[in-house]
Amino acid sequence: EAQVTQNPRYLITVTGKKLTVTCSQNMNHEYMSWYRQDPGLGLRQIYYSMNVEVTDKGDVPEGYKVSRKEKRNFPLILESPSPNQTSLYFCASSDSLFEEKPFFGSGTQLSVL
Amino acid sequence: GQQLNQSPQSMFIQEGEDVSMNCTSSSIFNTWLWYKQEPGEGPVLLIALYKAGELTSNGRLTAQFGITRKDSFLNISASIPSDVGIYFCAGHRGGNQGGKLIFGQGTELSVKP
Repeated sequence: EAQVTQNPRYLITVTGKKLTVTCSQNMNHEYMSWYRQDPGLGLRQIYYSMNVEVTDKGDVPEGYKVSRKEKRNFPLILESPSPNQTSLYFCASSDSLFEEKPFFGSGTQLSVL
Repeated sequence: GQQLNQSPQSMFIQEGEDVSMNCTSSSIFNTWLWYKQEPGEGPVLLIALYKAGELTSNGRLTAQFGITRKDSFLNISASIPSDVGIYFCAGHRGGNQGGKLIFGQGTELSVKP
């Protein structure tokens, strides 16, 4: 079954404590991205990756890092989380640079106290 | 970053009624997508539109790609309780943008049996 798997589904942490949200896809997709969803704002792209070792900033990259060492994995790293990063996060993957229909994971609800 | 203007923000309707929502932008998109998000899940693609003026149906759902390429519309006919969720429009500019999408703020649909 085609899947984008995020872990954890729920995370409560404190300000400044480094955390990583993992994302893995089993469709051999080249393109992966991270979005955050906030009420009234829809989904906004944080970072994207066009292939292994190729990453670039999306619309709201401040406070986040990513890495793409393997094609299937695209972790999102918060080095020093702050309360304004409390949000619902989605990982997505697409088949190629020209695939316009990303496939989304089920989300990670993050609360930073 | 740019966002699409999606309206209405929420709708409360009676089962059996038809629903219309739309999305507008100040700039042109090559592709328009409509997603539905149910509680606790990631967005799921409903309809993809690739050409200006295109009208595409998926069951009771019909979407149109505006002639100006700056807007799109989604209609749901004869709504049922399982239509409840948040509907998002998303635009893609084409070229080497890969899965980089710009999302609307969402329309939350409630259906009363």
